[in-house]
Parts: sequence; C-alpha cells; structure tokens
Amino acid sequence: DAGITQSPRYKITETGRQVTLMCHQTWSHSYMFWYRQDLGHGLRLIYYSAAADITDKGEVPDGYVVSRSKTENFPLTLESATRSQTSVYFCAIGVSGQDLSGANVLTFGAGSRLTVL
Amino acid sequence: GDSVTQMEGPVTLSEEAFLTINCTYTATGYPSLFWYVQYPGEGLQLLLKATKADDKGSNKGFEATYRKETTSFHLEKGSVQVSDSAVYFCALSDSTGKLIFGQGTTLQVKP
Repeated sequence: DAGITQSPRYKITETGRQVTLMCHQTWSHSYMFWYRQDLGHGLRLIYYSAAADITDKGEVPDGYVVSRSKTENFPLTLESATRSQTSVYFCAIGVSGQDLSGANVLTFGAGSRLTVL
Repeated sequence: GDSVTQMEGPVTLSEEAFLTINCTYTATGYPSLFWYVQYPGEGLQLLLKATKADDKGSNKGFEATYRKETTSFHLEKGSVQVSDSAVYFCALSDSTGKLIFGQGTTLQVKP
C-alpha cells in the first residue's frame, strides 16, 4: 500500500551488528505495529505504538527497541542481531482516532526481509 | 491465553473448485474475527471480518461465519481462481484489542 513504506526491503547482516528497519506512513494514523513473520508461527507482535512517544511491548519484544518521536515514523532496531532474528518484518498501521479495539483493521507494509548470518 | 489454529497447508485445488480453510479459536470474552490474505511479495490485506456471533463476513466471493458454539470461523469460496493463490491468515482481537494471528494456510490454485 502506497501509504506505508518500509526500508530496506532486503537486508543481510552479521551476528552482533545493529540493524534498523524503517517504517514511514504518509497518513497520520495513531496506531503503528511491528510484526515478525516466521514459518509455522504466523505473525507475532513485537511492539506497537498508540501515538508519538507512546510505545508498548507485544508478544516477542526481547532483542528489539522501538521509538516514535514523530507520528509518521516507527523505526525498529535490533541492537545486536542474532540468527534467531532472521525473519520477515512487517509494519502495520491502525485507524486513527480510535482505541486499540478499533484499530485492529490493519494496513500492512510490503515487509522487510532480514537475514542474520 | 488467546490463540488461533488454522488447518495445515498447503492446500492445492483446481480452478473452480470449492474452498474451505478451517479456523478455530480460543479466547476469553467475545473477540472480533478476521481473515487476512497475503499475495506473494506483499504485506497482508484484510479480506473480511465479523464482530459478533452469527455474523457473516464476505468479500470477493469469500465468506466466513462467526460460530460461537464451535469457536470457528472457517473461510469458504464457491469457485476459486488462479488469482486466489495466496497465504490466508485467520486472526482474532484479544481482550486488549491486539490482533492474534494463526500460522497461515497457503492456497495454490492450478489452472
């Protein structure tokens, strides 16, 4: 969807390196999410944000850091990448102006495929 | 905790065949239920949703009915096309409103 841009689309890195995945929305939706997609696990929530400067942990937050200094950007950082973090990462946004229960109709970015060697 | 279980894939069908992808859930309360679809190389898109028991969600010829008594939300389509080949995810909104996804079911439709 043209409203969400993820970068890079593909990244290969080495164990121990820091990696940042970017997510940018052209709208001003309040809720933004980071998921990882792995075979046999479906999508699992890493972190989410209800608004600028408000973030919260999801199901699998360990090893990841997020920030949201501006409404339109929600970067995900792997401070010291591990092989278990090899995955496809999806950013998603929820509808503005509603609480989380109303933000569950999500629009997803195209994904960032990360390989950690 | 809340969870979603989908039938194992891949599912391979011939064009115009009938499709069923099973989805069952475990949840406290009364969650909303969703089907998302992921086409190759893309992110997920909402396919349909149902917010209460006996609701039927429908879109693009796909249907799913929220069955509280069997805790199920099976996806059906009467006649699949090659363009329906994708990965389908069942999901529910948990008590906090966050989405919980199943593991996904790959559908391959052959001409």
